Amino acid sequence: DQQVKQNSPSLSVQEGRISILNCDYTNSMFDYFLWYKKYPAEGPTFLISISSIKDKNEDGRFTVFLNKSAKHLSLHIVPSQPGDSAVYFCAASGDYGGATNKLIFGTGTLLAVQP
Amino acid sequence: NAGVMQNPRHLVRRRGQEARLRCSPMKGHSHVYWYRQLPEEGLKFMVYLQKENIIDESGMPKERFSAEFPKEGPSILRIQQVVRGDSAAYFCASSPKTMNTEAFFGQGTRLTVV
Repeated sequence: DQQVKQNSPSLSVQEGRISILNCDYTNSMFDYFLWYKKYPAEGPTFLISISSIKDKNEDGRFTVFLNKSAKHLSLHIVPSQPGDSAVYFCAASGDYGGATNKLIFGTGTLLAVQP
Repeated sequence: NAGVMQNPRHLVRRRGQEARLRCSPMKGHSHVYWYRQLPEEGLKFMVYLQKENIIDESGMPKERFSAEFPKEGPSILRIQQVVRGDSAAYFCASSPKTMNTEAFFGQGTRLTVV
């Protein structure tokens, strides 16, 4: 049961253009969403997050949009740079069942930014 | 302020041996999470611990796997009698609080079972 889904396993974008990575979730108890970036043989690095009380959060070149009614969030990177090439994971958490606040991850999207 | 430290980075074990993976959380963090990434897959939650307590082990296989986070020292993920299917990257993460916060990950331990 994949509660967080990233349906695009890969994305290729030209340097300087916008990268849009998408994520869908099924659990309505999720109330905090995060994006992580991962290079090969390294641990995930936190990028940006958003609480369910907001619909947009911006940090430099990175903006996350949340559409709660559609249970969808997206990460926009503009302008894209070759160093942004990595796997991007969407994650979600919430106070479900009172047991934990663990992060549930999607399967990742490999972003390739072409020079 | 050192980040999350995991060791070893690489671990090779023969089938049937035990694997011990260590994780020292960031200073001031009392919440530790273990995740596993199988080849070509995403990060799967295994277990969530606070000091001396297992809070959620719903992602941990019922047999051969155990985890602890003692009052002193690192968190340990222990895999007994390893099998080839245990080969994966194991990541530890820590956070300063439990709600609405990011978790910081270590570099991971890549376990290879031969």
